Amino acid sequence: GDSVTQMEGPVTLSEEAFLTINCTYTATGYPSLFWYVQYPGEGLQLLLKATKADDKGSNKGFEATYRKETTSFHLEKGSVQVSDSAVYFCALSENTGNQFYFGTGTSLTVIP
Amino acid sequence: ETGVTQTPRHLVMGMTNKKSLKCEQHLGHNAMYWYKQSAKKPLELMFVYNFKEQTENNSVPSRFSPECPNSSHLFLHLHTLQPEDSALYLCASGTGTTYNEQFFGPGTRLTVL
Repeated sequence: GDSVTQMEGPVTLSEEAFLTINCTYTATGYPSLFWYVQYPGEGLQLLLKATKADDKGSNKGFEATYRKETTSFHLEKGSVQVSDSAVYFCALSENTGNQFYFGTGTSLTVIP
Repeated sequence: ETGVTQTPRHLVMGMTNKKSLKCEQHLGHNAMYWYKQSAKKPLELMFVYNFKEQTENNSVPSRFSPECPNSSHLFLHLHTLQPEDSALYLCASGTGTTYNEQFFGPGTRLTVL
């Protein structure tokens, strides 16, 4: 069945460091891929998405490219800030739109 | 109000209690979802409603009973829960169409004693 695997956390970085959070997926069809972010005490917020191979999603300095050949959707940011501290979830949606599969989440802490 | 709201934000209940969680969306979406978020585990999709009809029920125990009276409201009725049901319960809404993203509420933190 479909699934998402993302790197284990927690991840701790200094401010302005480069961030990569790995995400790979297994899917039977042609899914859409998402990154969600969850700040403390809040629900998940959509960070970015890509709906087909080679698409690049980007938002707030974060980027991820849909790589069909490696079944990956790694999240990157060139220079993290303290305010980026949160839990990041990779997710996929099959093209029916009803089933979403989430990874376990990666906790990021950015220290000044 | 805008977005997806959930009440209560925190709930403590005994195993013999009956309680309900409420979710309301103000986004004009046709699909609504219940998820369970437990520590160290992936988000678990529990129920999906599309145009008020339940379209998915992912092997959820019968002690959880959803209700969707209209496209804007979703309830999760709880009875005779177990301590392992303690978790953050998240509601989400979406267009229910291909490639739709989901919009989440802040969640209800449930503790079962």
